[in-house]
Amino acid sequence: TQLLEQSPQFLSIQEGENLTVYCNSSSVFSSLQWYRQEPGEGPVLLVTVVTGGEVKKLKRLTFQFGDARKDSSLHITAAQPGDTGLYLCAGLVTMDSSYKLIFGSGTRLLVRP
Amino acid sequence: NAGVTQTPKFQVLKTGQSMTLQCAQDMNHNSMYWYRQDPGMGLRLIYYSASEGTTDKGEVPNGYNVSRLNKREFSLRLESAAPSQTSVYFCASSELSGMGYSPLHFGNGTRLTVT
Repeated sequence: TQLLEQSPQFLSIQEGENLTVYCNSSSVFSSLQWYRQEPGEGPVLLVTVVTGGEVKKLKRLTFQFGDARKDSSLHITAAQPGDTGLYLCAGLVTMDSSYKLIFGSGTRLLVRP
Repeated sequence: NAGVTQTPKFQVLKTGQSMTLQCAQDMNHNSMYWYRQDPGMGLRLIYYSASEGTTDKGEVPNGYNVSRLNKREFSLRLESAAPSQTSVYFCASSELSGMGYSPLHFGNGTRLTVT
């Protein structure tokens, strides 16, 4: 059974601070996705990383896929209250002839003004 | 463009009652999924349908059944609801890309309470 562990589970920081969220597994994934979920809504895709060692930037968010494709990190620079939400990582596995995502348990981020 | 639409948004059931959660997508996606989200446990896959006419069990299928009615619609049925099925249920759809991966597009969820 594939398992994705996210840390920390909760994070409360002041506006302007930096933070890093980690996503770790003992399994190798063909790709890894990061989603953000706001209250009352479904998760929305932020980014997909595919290649080991890949780094992608989305404004103040930097995503990295580990060289062995077992782990990933999300770094937010100068966090804003609008970054508040639940961040979920999800690893892609192939099952039979289809693909499915294994989700981590999430990191709940609160950015205080 | 509505994306993925789930109904109802909220539901309260008594133990033993049955109900069907509806999901429809207008993006012409081949694959559809049902997840449940519980505090501290992330999203867990209940059932999925890789393409029209096929359905398969996910991680937590017990107590649920699904129907892929057509390419657009994928329903989830609880035949005899139990308190352990209190959760937020999300439907999602995806289309395989040429790279072999595809993001999920989620609905806004159905919040189900079983008393």
